[in-house]
Amino acid sequence: DQQVKQNSPSLSVQEGRISILNCDYTNSMFDYFLWYKKYPAEGPTFLISISSIKDKNEDGRFTVFLNKSAKHLSLHIVPSQPGDSAVYFCAASAIGNEKLTFGTGTRLTIIP
Amino acid sequence: EADIYQTPRYLVIGTGKKITLECSQTMGHDKMYWYQQDPGMELHLIHYSYGVNSTEKGDLSSESTVSRIRTEHFPLTLESARPSHTSQYLCASGVAGNYGYTFGSGTRLTVV
Repeated sequence: DQQVKQNSPSLSVQEGRISILNCDYTNSMFDYFLWYKKYPAEGPTFLISISSIKDKNEDGRFTVFLNKSAKHLSLHIVPSQPGDSAVYFCAASAIGNEKLTFGTGTRLTIIP
Repeated sequence: EADIYQTPRYLVIGTGKKITLECSQTMGHDKMYWYQQDPGMELHLIHYSYGVNSTEKGDLSSESTVSRIRTEHFPLTLESARPSHTSQYLCASGVAGNYGYTFGSGTRLTVV
């Protein structure tokens, strides 16, 4: 029973354009959401997060949007750069529980 | 700078052997985690610890065991390796109240 779903295994975007990565969740107890970025042969690195009391959080080129009613969040990267090519994992945590549940990841490829 | 270290990075070992995957962090984090990831799949939590002498099993059943005798050290042991244990093992640490884990580079284990 997958509680965090990333339905797009891969995404290709032209350099300079916007990359939009999507994530859906089923557990209504989730109240904190994170995005991690992973390069091959390395561990994931924390990218950006959002609390359920917000619907948007921005950090430089990265913005995360949360739609609680739809149980959906998205990560926007603009403008996309070649160094953004990586696997992006969505993760979520439930109220009072600091363990993270991860999605299957989306491999983003930025085309020069 | 990443201050969480995993060794070895790669390990190929025969069936039936006992192995220990090392994980150490220098950040003084109380919380430590072991995740298992197969290619194209989500990260599955297999063990976690919220402090010295505290260990718990994660959401995914695993034949491995862990110990937390020192804050900085969280080794994972497989008493008798099997081909089904072939996977990537990722160690992470964090601070209470902060969901942004720091991950190590991982150990890619192959059991032949």
